[in-house]
Amino acid sequence: GAVVSQHPSWVICKSGTSVKIECRSLDFQATTMFWYRQFPKQSLMLMATSNEGSKATYEQGVEKDKFLINHASLTLSTLTVTSAHPEDSSFYICSARPLAGGNHEQFFGPGTRLTVL
Amino acid sequence: DAKTTQPPSMDCAEGRAANLPCNHSTISGNEYVYWYRQIHSQGPQYIIHGLKNNETNEMASLIITEDRKSSTLILPHATLRDTAVYYCIVRPYSGAGSYQLTFGKGTKLSVIP
Repeated sequence: GAVVSQHPSWVICKSGTSVKIECRSLDFQATTMFWYRQFPKQSLMLMATSNEGSKATYEQGVEKDKFLINHASLTLSTLTVTSAHPEDSSFYICSARPLAGGNHEQFFGPGTRLTVL
Repeated sequence: DAKTTQPPSMDCAEGRAANLPCNHSTISGNEYVYWYRQIHSQGPQYIIHGLKNNETNEMASLIITEDRKSSTLILPHATLRDTAVYYCIVRPYSGAGSYQLTFGKGTKLSVIP
């Protein structure tokens, strides 16, 4: 199946710093990418939907100025957690929907574990 | 909000069939049933999907009741590597919301040696 990568796989940062997470579709072009957050022992929660070349759509309760999303190309979306605080520590997962393909397809990245000290 | 209900946990002996139930009593006519699983600290993995007919692939079988209000995912010969949280999700094929996956709490399947 199609491969989605995330970088870094884990990151530890100090409170107040910003962290950028990359999501790449390696062997396909993605019209839409999704960003999820997962706290320990909880389910995935959709944060935002990004479409290439346009502004991301954020879910209710997700601060767009804190979680900056850029979908600059059909193979890359980035999530920047600005001024990170310990409560932002979580597992961040992206998924990508292929440009070519049916509506059923959506492929997930391996996730990025963020720890804010 | 997730439109599905699943038992929080299940055990299955290695080599036996694992049958994971899902209730989706409010499913609409244009909504498909999807199953994903998430192995600890990894991203979700697609398993199978269906509309109203039973489906089978190399990973699993999906049995959907005639009224479509519930379904069962069957792993025919569970292995230790099948230990994961299994998510049952309903979403429309097209139109509003067709791209989003809303994850519920899922079922934590533990395959026991």
